[in-house]
Amino acid sequence: GQNIDQPTEMTATEGAIVQINCTYQTSGFNGLFWYQQHAGEAPTFLSYNVLDGLEEKGRFSSFLSRSKGYSYLLLKELQMKDSASYLCAVRDSNYQLIWGAGTKLIIKP
Amino acid sequence: DGGITQSPKYLFRKEGQNVTLSCEQNLNHDAMYWYRQDPGQGLRLIYYSQIVNDFQKGDIAEGYSVSREKKESFPLTVTSAQKNPTAFYLCASSIGGDASGANVLTFGAGSRLTVL
Repeated sequence: GQNIDQPTEMTATEGAIVQINCTYQTSGFNGLFWYQQHAGEAPTFLSYNVLDGLEEKGRFSSFLSRSKGYSYLLLKELQMKDSASYLCAVRDSNYQLIWGAGTKLIIKP
Repeated sequence: DGGITQSPKYLFRKEGQNVTLSCEQNLNHDAMYWYRQDPGQGLRLIYYSQIVNDFQKGDIAEGYSVSREKKESFPLTVTSAQKNPTAFYLCASSIGGDASGANVLTFGAGSRLTVL
């Protein structure tokens, strides 16, 4: 079966750095996405990786290793507004999105 | 500003009743999707449509129905046949249904359905 694993919950301090991991086992690979979802709101797109390596976008970076079936989302200079759930999704060989259950990130002052 | 509008935000239903959730987009996107979100689970695809007057079943289509009569609109009906309908429903759209490039999804704010 296809599977996406993410930690259920993480806690970090305002101003710090946090890394949210995502491991996947899917039937093929055609890209990995990260979305941010505040409680009760719409998920919003953060990043897309299809090749190995690091993609940097402001305070957020996303890394992919296809050989290891592994990605992480790195958030720097954490702000209280970063408290949200972070969803990892992989597009499989049929170009269908497989979603992880999400990581709830709690930021403490 | 362009976006996706879902209504109602909250909906209560008695067992045995059908309900319809509205989804409208003004992004001129060809593809539209309905997902269900339950606590502790990833998003699960109910139905999707890549063009007007055509749609396909997703992973959990049983007990649901859709229509795509206009490019802007993709309503979802939760029928009485859906055994566990209480959930958060998300509508999304993308520029195209094909797989090339990022094909980023834009989501609506969601509709929370509770069956009493």
